[in-house]
Amino acid sequence: SQTIHQWPATLVQPVGSPLSLECTVEGTSNPNLYWYRQAAGRGLQLLFYSVGIGQISSEVPQNLSASRPQDRQFILSSKKLLLSDSGFYLCAWNLQENTPANEKLFFGSGTQLSVL
Amino acid sequence: GENVEQHPSTLSVQEGDSAVIKCTYSDSASNYFPWYKQELGKGPQLIIDIRSNVGEKKDQRIAVTLNKTAKHFSLHITETQPEDSAVYFCAGPGSYSSASKIIFGSGTRLSIRP
Repeated sequence: SQTIHQWPATLVQPVGSPLSLECTVEGTSNPNLYWYRQAAGRGLQLLFYSVGIGQISSEVPQNLSASRPQDRQFILSSKKLLLSDSGFYLCAWNLQENTPANEKLFFGSGTQLSVL
Repeated sequence: GENVEQHPSTLSVQEGDSAVIKCTYSDSASNYFPWYKQELGKGPQLIIDIRSNVGEKKDQRIAVTLNKTAKHFSLHITETQPEDSAVYFCAGPGSYSSASKIIFGSGTRLSIRP
């Protein structure tokens, strides 16, 4: 069965410090991978998605970047965090095949990031 | 691009009563309509979905209805229980060609009053 791992679960970082959040998927190959951000009490904002190694699409201009060094690894980074980067970050995956099953998104457990 | 609007943003119902959450979409090519439930401090989980070839789908106390003419789909929860308290999201666009860019509604915070 497929599983998705996301860590750390919580993170407190000072303004201006770097960030690295990691997400890995097991039990599937060549998935679509996603990073979403959720501000407190708000909806899910799509930040990045990737359809393959080294292929990253950015949805909103921001202080963050994403990388996919391996097929099932997705990393969210920042060189210098801002206060506005605080939020709940969610990694997700789905199948790439053009079938009815490919739209079901599976989410990780999230990382609560507080920038102080 | 696809636009998904979800209402209401918050909903409070008495335990045992029903709850209804509605989403409207703009892409007429959409053919997949899912609902996700997010409990506090966790990632969203798919709870029910429907495809455009049917108008309604039920799974125990939850159901989803689809009106393709009006471009809206709704989540219905009957006999609500405390564990139904969560944030619920609909998602679009639901067409295979754009499956790599799934956009969510703004969410509905459902509270069940004892």
